[in-house]
Amino acid sequence: GAGVSQSPRYKVAKRGQDVALRCDPISGHVSLFWYQQALGQGPEFLTYFQNEAQLDKSGLPSDRFFAERPEGSVSTLKIQRTQQEDSAVYLCASSLGSGRGYNEQFFGPGTRLTVL
Amino acid sequence: TQLLEQSPQFLSIQEGENLTVYCNSSSVFSSLQWYRQEPGEGPVLLVTVVTGGEVKKLKRLTFQFGDARKDSSLHITAAQPGDTGLYLCAPTSGTYKYIFGTGTRLKVLA
Repeated sequence: GAGVSQSPRYKVAKRGQDVALRCDPISGHVSLFWYQQALGQGPEFLTYFQNEAQLDKSGLPSDRFFAERPEGSVSTLKIQRTQQEDSAVYLCASSLGSGRGYNEQFFGPGTRLTVL
Repeated sequence: TQLLEQSPQFLSIQEGENLTVYCNSSSVFSSLQWYRQEPGEGPVLLVTVVTGGEVKKLKRLTFQFGDARKDSSLHITAAQPGDTGLYLCAPTSGTYKYIFGTGTRLKVLA
């Protein structure tokens, strides 16, 4: 596709369930980012991949959050034992370069996660 | 932790009015990006400013990076309903990491 796609667009989970959110970046993009956006807030950085290497996971809120990009393209954000405070929109972005400087990030439409 | 503030938080104006939104920080940045986000979509890049004092124009939008590279403003002339959205500033210190502000939510009424 022409842009970044994410699936599912909406996910409702019961507290304690595990969820997996998928991101398909633009083909050939080296860098991939995951952000969490709470209602009324700006996106907050979760983690960064350069190809298949996860170079920064400092923004992941807890060890219940895990992200991978095994072949350097598609990425999955997994949240184990979901809690109500995990409810948010999860945004994925990709950029062509290695991430240094001021590369343009292309965002997907996000996955809205609601934990009941 | 750097402090990044955007103001105002909310702005509701009539079509045709002018407006300015601000992004202020306690830190010096190497560059700053402005994004617009519409409901149900991801942010879309509007502009990147790099040099202190730099001014960039994008049709009716004028972006300025402060001389000290700690603040930025976005001015919209003759706002239109299509300008409605969440405006986010995202400065960077030269690495891959962008810190997004909380945004200014703009509504332009027809």
